[in-house]
Amino acid sequence: DIQMTQSPASLSASLGETVTIECRASEDIYNGLAWYQQKPGKSPQLLIYNANSLHTGVPSRFSGSGSGTQYSLKINSLQSEDVASYFCQQYYNYNTFGAGTKLELK
Amino acid sequence: EVQLVETGGGLVQPGRSLKLSCVASGFTFNNYWMSWTRQAPGKGLEWVASITNSGGSTYYPDSVKGRFTISRDNAQNTLYLQMNSLRSEDTATYYCTIMALGYFDYWGQGVMVTVSS
Repeated sequence: DIQMTQSPASLSASLGETVTIECRASEDIYNGLAWYQQKPGKSPQLLIYNANSLHTGVPSRFSGSGSGTQYSLKINSLQSEDVASYFCQQYYNYNTFGAGTKLELK
Repeated sequence: EVQLVETGGGLVQPGRSLKLSCVASGFTFNNYWMSWTRQAPGKGLEWVASITNSGGSTYYPDSVKGRFTISRDNAQNTLYLQMNSLRSEDTATYYCTIMALGYFDYWGQGVMVTVSS
């Protein structure tokens, strides 16, 4: 099974700041990587798929990058509505999620 | 507008069974693979089951294989999850999801399943 190690587990940042969340796969997942945002009490929502493709309707301040085993989600110019938990998911070989990153405002 | 509405959750004793349903609308249901994903209280996400658009093939992680069965009725635009031999560790919110090439591009609002005596 492919393991996904996501970091950091929690993050505190100021409005307008740039934030980066990382995921490392236990083996090459060939860009089969998605990122999800989950606001408190809500269902997860897809942000990024294929490591760097923005899902319909997602603001352009969100971006994904990476290859091989290392991937990252960047949020430019942090907004208050970005307070949420973020999860990565590999789908190269079945499905495995990272443990999540809880993003709060400083 | 895509809508996925899950029902059937509740409190169930360990070892018993429960069947979840998900009614889909706003897209052509029989064109898409579908999945169930769950989230234990305060925890992360875990994929539970997937089914091809025709229903001809199903996939499960080891944690539920042999206990859970995913199925679909394309005439009724409905996805199901039959859960048998339930354990306390199956306690979670269960989400119905549309599966697009491996990732989950739309999620329902979720239904809570609590396994406890």
